[in-house]
Parts: sequence; structure tokens; C-alpha cells
Amino acid sequence: AQRVTQPEKLLSVFKGAPVELKCNYSYSGSPELFWYVQYSRQRLQLLLRHISRESIKGFTADLNKGETSFHLKKPFAQEEDSAMYYCALSNGGATNKLIFGTGTLLAVQP
Amino acid sequence: ETGVTQSPTHLIKTRGQQVTLRCSSQSGHNTVSWYQQALGQGPQFIFQYYREEENGRGNFPPRFSGLQFPNYSSELNVNALELDDSALYLCASSSGQGTPYEQYFGPGTRLTVT
Repeated sequence: AQRVTQPEKLLSVFKGAPVELKCNYSYSGSPELFWYVQYSRQRLQLLLRHISRESIKGFTADLNKGETSFHLKKPFAQEEDSAMYYCALSNGGATNKLIFGTGTLLAVQP
Repeated sequence: ETGVTQSPTHLIKTRGQQVTLRCSSQSGHNTVSWYQQALGQGPQFIFQYYREEENGRGNFPPRFSGLQFPNYSSELNVNALELDDSALYLCASSSGQGTPYEQYFGPGTRLTVT
């Protein structure tokens, strides 16, 4: 079954500390993985996708097929990073159905 | 460029009733996907419409149905509402079908079934 697991509901760190939001997936094929972010009172938006191999707002994520993981990392957290983060998997093909995890709330303390 | 809009913002219905939710896609987008987000959960895919045709469906019963219009706006209809249908309903549009096309989400409609 296709599934995305985010084990932490809440991750609280201090400003300047490293951040790692965990994401594991289950998929029989070649998945496409995404991280979406929802800031307070804003809509859900794409943060990054593994095929782009970009760093967005200082965040990076590497797809590890051996460990079936796609953890989101940032070396130095900022207060403005506080938001809800969702990891998502696409089944590919014409539909681009996104399968989301339950999300992790990142709280960056001053 | 106008983003994805959804109406209404909030809605309260009684069990057994029917509801219609609306979504206007972003300018230039021809694909609309609908998701249900229950409290404390991630969004769950309901279905997608591409150029007025259903283009994939998630694990939702037939009482969840939809339409896409020639201007690519879309409706989600839910019949025989159940308490478990209470959720945030999200619409997302993209400029094409398939993973290369980023999905842009609307603000959602909060449905409460009593």
C-alpha cells in the first residue's frame, strides 16, 4: 500500500538549531516525493520536490530509496520557519494523485 | 494572476443533506483536484478533473461526485452527508495533468455535519 509516515506531530527547536523533519514512505515503484508547507493563516504550498534537487529557504531533502525516506533538513532554524509541514508522495502518471502524511508542526522558539 | 478560490468558506449541514462546494482554478489552469482533510490528518485525494473529464479517483464512495466546467472551475457534491464528512475540503489546480505540474491549493471550505 502507498503510505507516507511522519512520526512527529510536533518538533520544537530553538532559533539557530538544526532541524530535521522525518518522512518515510511505502511505495512499490519509483515515487516522486514532495514537501508542502502551511504557514499560519496561509494556504498549503509546495516547498520543494525531490526531482528538483533545490534548496528552498535553506531547506533541503534527499530521497533515500534504501531507507525509503525523504527527510527535510535545515542547518539553522529561523522563527519564520514555524509552520505545518507535510510530506507527500505522488503515484506518478497522468493523475498526479498526492498522498500526504499527517504533518509535523515545527515550532521555532526565540 | 488570480489564485485558486473556494466558496463558501464555512458551511454547516445536517446529516443526510446534500452539499455543493465550488472551486475556481488559477488562471491558465485546466486541471482541478479535490482533497478532504480531517482534523489532525493530511489531505486525502478525492478525485481529479482534467478538461472536464474525471481523471482519477481516490478511495471515496460514489456519493462524492464532481464536475468541471468549460472555464475549468469545478464543483464537489456530497450526497447523504454523514458525520464523518466533517472536514476541510481543499481544491488544487494545475496547468496540466501529471507530476511535472505543480498543484496550487485554495484556502479550503470547512464543512461541519451535525
